[in-house]
Amino acid sequence: NAGVTQTPKFQVLKTGQSMTLQCAQDMNHNSMYWYRQDPGMGLRLIYYSASEGTTDKGEVPNGYNVSRLNKREFSLRLESAAPSQTSVYFCASSGAGTGGVSRNQPQHFGDGTRLSIL
Amino acid sequence: AQRVTQPEKLLSVFKGAPVELKCNYSYSGSPELFWYVQYSRQRLQLLLRHISRESIKGFTADLNKGETSFHLKKPFAQEEDSAMYYCALSNRDDKIIFGKGTRLHILP
Repeated sequence: NAGVTQTPKFQVLKTGQSMTLQCAQDMNHNSMYWYRQDPGMGLRLIYYSASEGTTDKGEVPNGYNVSRLNKREFSLRLESAAPSQTSVYFCASSGAGTGGVSRNQPQHFGDGTRLSIL
Repeated sequence: AQRVTQPEKLLSVFKGAPVELKCNYSYSGSPELFWYVQYSRQRLQLLLRHISRESIKGFTADLNKGETSFHLKKPFAQEEDSAMYYCALSNRDDKIIFGKGTRLHILP
């Protein structure tokens, strides 16, 4: 199992350009998440998806959109990139534990995407 | 308000000395708490969770509801413990709230 796979690993954009970060998981998890990691700020939740077909805003959703394409895939889109969106982006997933209880399960993370906006 | 506080941004400890990474939380309910670790150039990974009450890589963490703390401890630091450590809390909505992280630097 690959776990959580993110593409691309690195990207440089110009201000105003758009792009989509891809994330896929092969653990049959219901929940998926997008975070950004900035120095001194820790991990901040951008959007999450509790199940296929649903998405909800996290702590810092402005400037981003997401799509839960199917149970495996959860993409993050920057419509018009800004320098403030320079960050490392992590995708994560979590799933059912013993007896099918899905709540409060630990999250599995991808390797991250290092994004620079010039 | 739900919050996780890690008061130290950087903690430097000599090899062989005890380690304690502090974590305090604010949560109205029964918390589910985790410690995640991120080694250099690697992905975040779960280190331990309070419900398991286990020791991973020599680390332990005890939930103290009276002090609302979940400090991470290891009796003898090793160089390979150098990493970024995040304390995290899982809420009723299945979201995880992370602290800002503590960078642990083990000195030779």
